[in-house]
Amino acid sequence: LAKTTQPISMDSYEGQEVNITCSHNNIATNDYITWYQQFPSQGPRFIIQGYKTKVTNEVASLFIPADRKSSTLSLPRVSLSDTAVYYCLAKGDTGRRALTFGSGTRLQVQP
Amino acid sequence: KAGVTQTPRYLIKTRGQQVTLSCSPISGHRSVSWYQQTPGQGLQFLFEYFSETQRNKGNFPGRFSGRQFSNSRSEMNVSTLELGDSALYLCASSAGTSGGPSSYEQYFGPGTRLTVT
Repeated sequence: LAKTTQPISMDSYEGQEVNITCSHNNIATNDYITWYQQFPSQGPRFIIQGYKTKVTNEVASLFIPADRKSSTLSLPRVSLSDTAVYYCLAKGDTGRRALTFGSGTRLQVQP
Repeated sequence: KAGVTQTPRYLIKTRGQQVTLSCSPISGHRSVSWYQQTPGQGLQFLFEYFSETQRNKGNFPGRFSGRQFSNSRSEMNVSTLELGDSALYLCASSAGTSGGPSSYEQYFGPGTRLTVT
């Protein structure tokens, strides 16, 4: 399992775009990159996943450069409700469902 | 489609007791995983069940056990509770099919907050 490194915390204001970068230097060829969001006292919620280049859904975009040693989660025009902890995971498809969560990034959105 | 449900949502036990937590996965999901979340250790994987068989296990003592029923519902049990077992216990379900990006989409329940006094 590739170890991931993210900033511990970030601050932003409503309406701004937030980019959270995750480093995964020893990512394996078959590893996918997945991001989860967690609010206090709730379970994590799947946001987005990708393998390379760019992936976009209705919630966020995920940018993965060609070397795949890092990835950036982009949240467009954040609101107060985006205040949460964001986890980056890099995991290969081994048929196992054990997710290894790091410390995550605590995003605080101010009015 | 209904989400993952966990019961009870809150529980208070005393040291030495045992506890059983329940999880109902999303309909059609066959894989159920359990996680423990504490402020100090973060989110840690306990075990995964698929088709009533434990398929993967984290680094927890034998006091932590689980099982899965034929309808994919799962229970986890903690015996001889310790103060350090106070945590949010999360259950996650996934389709559990072999391979592909969809295998990474785990859907978490709201958790059971266990307090050991």
